[in-house]
Amino acid sequence: ILNVEQSPQSLHVQEGDSTNFTCSFPSSNFYALHWYRWETAKSPEALFVMTLNGDEKKKGRISATLNTKEGYSYLYIKGSQPEDSATYLCALNSGYALNFGKGTSLLVTP
Amino acid sequence: EAGVTQFPSHSVIEKGQTVTLRCDPISGHDNLYWYRRVMGKEIKFLLHFVKESKQDESGMPNNRFLAERTGGTYSTLKVQPAELEDSGVYFCASSQALIGEKLFFGSGTQLSVL
Repeated sequence: ILNVEQSPQSLHVQEGDSTNFTCSFPSSNFYALHWYRWETAKSPEALFVMTLNGDEKKKGRISATLNTKEGYSYLYIKGSQPEDSATYLCALNSGYALNFGKGTSLLVTP
Repeated sequence: EAGVTQFPSHSVIEKGQTVTLRCDPISGHDNLYWYRRVMGKEIKFLLHFVKESKQDESGMPNNRFLAERTGGTYSTLKVQPAELEDSGVYFCASSQALIGEKLFFGSGTQLSVL
């Protein structure tokens, strides 16, 4: 089981601020790294799946990078909006199962 | 296209009782997963079905948990008898591919054991 660490645990920003979170892991021995967005009482929603060192993905104001050599992935949100408030989960596919981090809880206030 | 649906959304039971959770995956998805999030902890894998077969059940906590997927369609997860530490959110997810593809999650069942 790969140990996935996410930081910070929580984050509170003002509308319009840009922010980023970190997902770190001890090994490059995995198939893919996933980012999910989860609002309480709703379904976790996949944002990105990345497999290769140097991968960069973008979806609107959200982007992510993967560095397998140094063992981290960054998720960036540009110009945060209140609707971005959610928990952002990082997970690794080391086999069939996903190993999740505890998530970063983001609150964006107007 | 309907997403992954779970029933019930909430369940409150007493210690020692039995509860059965249901998951309907996206039609055509052979892979079905159960995960659980205990408050304050990370989401943890319970088990994985490929069609009706259990591919990996290494995450099942103990023999009080029984998962089935008869006919390779919907799945049930039964907890009998429930204990206090079983409280948490139980997620179901499905996918077409085995590894490296995104999972489609249901909104979860919040189980509270009192």
